[in-house]
Amino acid sequence: ETGVTQTPRHLVMGMTNKKSLKCEQHLGHNAMYWYKQSAKKPLELMFVYNFKEQTENNSVPSRFSPECPNSSHLFLHLHTLQPEDSALYLCASSQEGAFGLAEAFFGQGTRLTVV
Amino acid sequence: ILNVEQSPQSLHVQEGDSTNFTCSFPSSNFYALHWYRWETAKSPEALFVMTLNGDEKKKGRISATLNTKEGYSYLYIKGSQPEDSATYLCASESYSGAGSYQLTFGKGTKLSVIP
Repeated sequence: ETGVTQTPRHLVMGMTNKKSLKCEQHLGHNAMYWYKQSAKKPLELMFVYNFKEQTENNSVPSRFSPECPNSSHLFLHLHTLQPEDSALYLCASSQEGAFGLAEAFFGQGTRLTVV
Repeated sequence: ILNVEQSPQSLHVQEGDSTNFTCSFPSSNFYALHWYRWETAKSPEALFVMTLNGDEKKKGRISATLNTKEGYSYLYIKGSQPEDSATYLCASESYSGAGSYQLTFGKGTKLSVIP
């Protein structure tokens, strides 16, 4: 148990569906992240939220829409996805200070399949 | 764009053998180097965060070194055990310039320890 919880663990959705991934951390961290891992690729950073404000969007298509209502919760809203979006989506949190990041804590991920 | 490279891609060792892997990263805009262990069906778990050239860190049978001038880090496992089987990820931490730090991951080294 890392202190970062993701739901659901598995998700199958059609290309016209709308779904949301949820991430929750109770570690008191001020930064939260969404990562994507596709087969044979490294973890790719999608979004960064720092003190609930989005500070990074690494050229992610608009069919992925993040939301951070408070410092403990992070959502990834999905709509009109493509089959190539099928991947493992990982949430992480960390404490960001003036001199960088402490270690990141990861959730177990959501295995997404788009059909 | 930062490229973090890890080698080898995969490794099979006998129980009791010692082993090591390499992570190379760009030296520019470097803040820290993170190592994570990712066991199947679990979350990535932090091993080390290193910042200074010449840093050496140890946790049980696992240790790591850092050379920021030439841009590489080594992870060593002494007397490998089956429970060490996992994918070992390294990530270079950099400042995005937009008010946040971010991690760029390598593809990982998959270690299998044969009993």
